[in-house]
Amino acid sequence: NAGVTQTPKFRVLKTGQSMTLLCAQDMNHEYMYWYRQDPGMGLRLIHYSVGEGTTAKGEVPDGYNVSRLKKQNFLLGLESAAPSQTSVYFCASSARDFTEQFFGPGTRLTVL
Amino acid sequence: GQQVMQIPQYQHVQEGEDFTTYCNSSTTLSNIQWYKQRPGGHPVFLIQLVKSGEVKKQKRLTFQFGEAKKNSSLHITATQTTDVGTYFCAGPHAGNNRKLIWGLGTSLAVNP
Repeated sequence: NAGVTQTPKFRVLKTGQSMTLLCAQDMNHEYMYWYRQDPGMGLRLIHYSVGEGTTAKGEVPDGYNVSRLKKQNFLLGLESAAPSQTSVYFCASSARDFTEQFFGPGTRLTVL
Repeated sequence: GQQVMQIPQYQHVQEGEDFTTYCNSSTTLSNIQWYKQRPGGHPVFLIQLVKSGEVKKQKRLTFQFGEAKKNSSLHITATQTTDVGTYFCAGPHAGNNRKLIWGLGTSLAVNP
């Protein structure tokens, strides 16, 4: 089992460009999450999904969109990248409420 | 709003010394989870505590959940260089169990 995988691992964008980050999990988990991690800020939840076809906003959703068309995949989109979106993005999944979250290796995004 | 605070923010120890990090919640938690993130890595689940006053051990790591279920601690006995990383605690969001509220983490450095 690969667990949680993220694509790409690194990306550099120019301000205003768009991109999609892909997260895939092979554990048949219902819940999936997108976090961003910035120095001194810990993990901040961007969006999450509690099942195929559902999405919900987290703490810092502005500037991001998500989709969960298939249970195993959770996509994070940046429509018009801004330097403030320079961060490390982690995807995670969990089986249900109150269970551990499994994290992907992260995507390091730089917006110039 | 609901907050989870961790102290200290940083800790530097000599190899062989003990280390403790504390996690304090502004609200009563149904459970608390602990994660470890190695430098350059992703968060990895360590343990979940559920019962009031619960104590769990994993080799040199001892986890406690307070009687009031508002605080928790992680104690490492005789630190090793492999313990280096950031330790996060996280608890369920009071209004939405599907989300976790994360502490900002305690970064541990160990001098060999």
